[in-house]
Amino acid sequence: DGGITQSPKYLFRKEGQNVTLSCEQNLNHDAMYWYRQDPGQGLRLIYYSQIVNDFQKGDIAEGYSVSREKKESFPLTVTSAQKNPTAFYLCASSILSGEQFFGPGTRLTVL
Amino acid sequence: KQEVTQIPAALSVPEGENLVLNCSFTDSAIYNLQWFRQDPGKGLTSLLLIQSSQREQTSGRLNASLDKSSGRSTLYIAASQPGDSATYLCAAHNNNDMRFGAGTRLTVKP
Repeated sequence: DGGITQSPKYLFRKEGQNVTLSCEQNLNHDAMYWYRQDPGQGLRLIYYSQIVNDFQKGDIAEGYSVSREKKESFPLTVTSAQKNPTAFYLCASSILSGEQFFGPGTRLTVL
Repeated sequence: KQEVTQIPAALSVPEGENLVLNCSFTDSAIYNLQWFRQDPGKGLTSLLLIQSSQREQTSGRLNASLDKSSGRSTLYIAASQPGDSATYLCAAHNNNDMRFGAGTRLTVKP
């Protein structure tokens, strides 16, 4: 099956802890994206990558970090510097400037 | 900076009704505009993608139109069904920057 997978589905973080969210795609897409969704709001871009070993900050990159060592994978780390990390995190991929396809999401909660 | 607005925020209709969801954007220099469906607690499902050179796209009971000059797109749903109940989001794509509206939450009552 072609698609985008995200894991885990639910994640709990303690204060001061870094956590990493996984995103994998087998669609052979060059571009991958991370978004954050808060209740009643549209999606906001955290980071995006158009090619392996390169990525760009989105509107709300502070407190987050990413890597793109493989075309298929774009993990997101939520660091302790992110003061309000509780949200729904969505990963997407596309051909460059093309239709975006989304994964099922990870819900992160701070304990 | 592109801003995308969706009105209304919520809509409730009886089953069988035809309906229109609205999306407006401030920067008309878009590559494309995409409509998505989101069920509670789930990811986004792509419904329709309209390229900047196109005026409309159709898929089954869904029809999306694009008017770049006025900065508007509409999603028309024919003969609505309870299974259409979800949040519908539009997103305008400018040069590697995709901006989302906050969505319209649709409820179709049996």
